[in-house]
Amino acid sequence: ELKVEQNPLFLSMQEGKNYTIYCNYSTTSDRLYWYRQDPGKSLESLFVLLSNGAVKQEGRLMASLDTKARLSTLHITAAVHDLSATYFCAVDRGSTLGRLYFGRGTQLTVWP
Amino acid sequence: DTGVSQNPRHKITKRGQNVTFRCDPISEHNRLYWYRQTLGQGPEFLTYFQNEAQLEKSRLLSDRFSAERPKGSFSTLEIQRTEQGDSAMYLCASSLAARGQSPLHFGNGTRLTVT
Repeated sequence: ELKVEQNPLFLSMQEGKNYTIYCNYSTTSDRLYWYRQDPGKSLESLFVLLSNGAVKQEGRLMASLDTKARLSTLHITAAVHDLSATYFCAVDRGSTLGRLYFGRGTQLTVWP
Repeated sequence: DTGVSQNPRHKITKRGQNVTFRCDPISEHNRLYWYRQTLGQGPEFLTYFQNEAQLEKSRLLSDRFSAERPKGSFSTLEIQRTEQGDSAMYLCASSLAARGQSPLHFGNGTRLTVT
């Protein structure tokens, strides 16, 4: 069974600070996804990383993928309150397209 | 694009009752997925369809659970003889099978509470 581990699980940070969320997975996968979930809401797709070395940026968030290390990072630059949410990474096996294995999520709180 | 729609949003039922949830995917998406999410956890895969064919089922999906997608459009998830452990958020997602891999688009979920 493919396992996905995120850390930290809880992150409290001040506005303006930088931080990185880490996502490790247990077996080979070339596709990694980052989602955001606000309380009581559904999951919103942030990034799709499809190959080793892929880097994508949107606003204050930047995601990268190292398939050899089985590691993805989500870097937050100059955090603002609106980024407060839970962030999930997810991977698939490639051979069973569509079935995603999710981490437990990182609950991010940004305070003034 | 109206997004993935799920009904009902909330369902409270007594243990032993049957419940059915509905999911309407994004219209041009041929893949439809069901996931379950409990508090503090990431979504767990239950099953998925490509068009009307159910291609994979998780071991989490006991015999009390059944999913259908009769015409390759909307889907239903039925839970028979509900148990308290079935209390969770049930999420539906859809995607378009094409070259590469498109992300899953999730609905707002159906929150089930079994009393």
